[in-house]
Amino acid sequence: GQNIDQPTEMTATEGAIVQINCTYQTSGFNGLFWYQQHAGEAPTFLSYNVLDGLEEKGRFSSFLSRSKGYSYLLLKELQMKDSASYLCAVMDSNYQLIWGAGTKLIIKP
Amino acid sequence: ETGVTQTPRHLVMGMTNKKSLKCEQHLGHNAMYWYKQSAKKPLELMFVYSLEERVENNSVPSRFSPECPNSSHLFLHLHTLQPEDSALYLCASSQTQGSGANVLTFGAGSRLTVL
Repeated sequence: GQNIDQPTEMTATEGAIVQINCTYQTSGFNGLFWYQQHAGEAPTFLSYNVLDGLEEKGRFSSFLSRSKGYSYLLLKELQMKDSASYLCAVMDSNYQLIWGAGTKLIIKP
Repeated sequence: ETGVTQTPRHLVMGMTNKKSLKCEQHLGHNAMYWYKQSAKKPLELMFVYSLEERVENNSVPSRFSPECPNSSHLFLHLHTLQPEDSALYLCASSQTQGSGANVLTFGAGSRLTVL
């Protein structure tokens, strides 16, 4: 079967750095997405990786290793507004999105 | 309005009621989706419409009935639901369907409670 694993919950301190990991086993691979979802709000797109390596976008970076079936989302200079759930999703060979259950990130002052 | 708008934001219904969820997008997208989001579970894809034609129906019970009258509007008709159907129902749209960098734009969801 197809599976996406990510930690259920993480806690970090304001101003620090946090890395949210995502591992996947899917039938084929056509890219990996990260979305951010604040409580009671719509998920919003953060990043898309299809090639190995690190993509940097401001305070957020996303890394992909296709050979290891592994990605991470790196958040730097954490702010209280970064408290949210982070959803990892992989597009399989049929262009179907396989979703993880999300990681709830709690930022403490 | 821009983006994806869902109404109502909250809905409480009994098991014998009939209600509908509405989704509207003003992004010029050609594909629209219904997802179910339950606590601590992955998003579950329910239905996909591409150019107003249903292209996917993921074994969803018949008590959920989608309707896509045009490329900007999507409905989810609900009847004789069960308490386990209580969840957040998310609508999303995308430029195309069935391609790689297919970024979804989501609505804020309709929180459904079935008593």
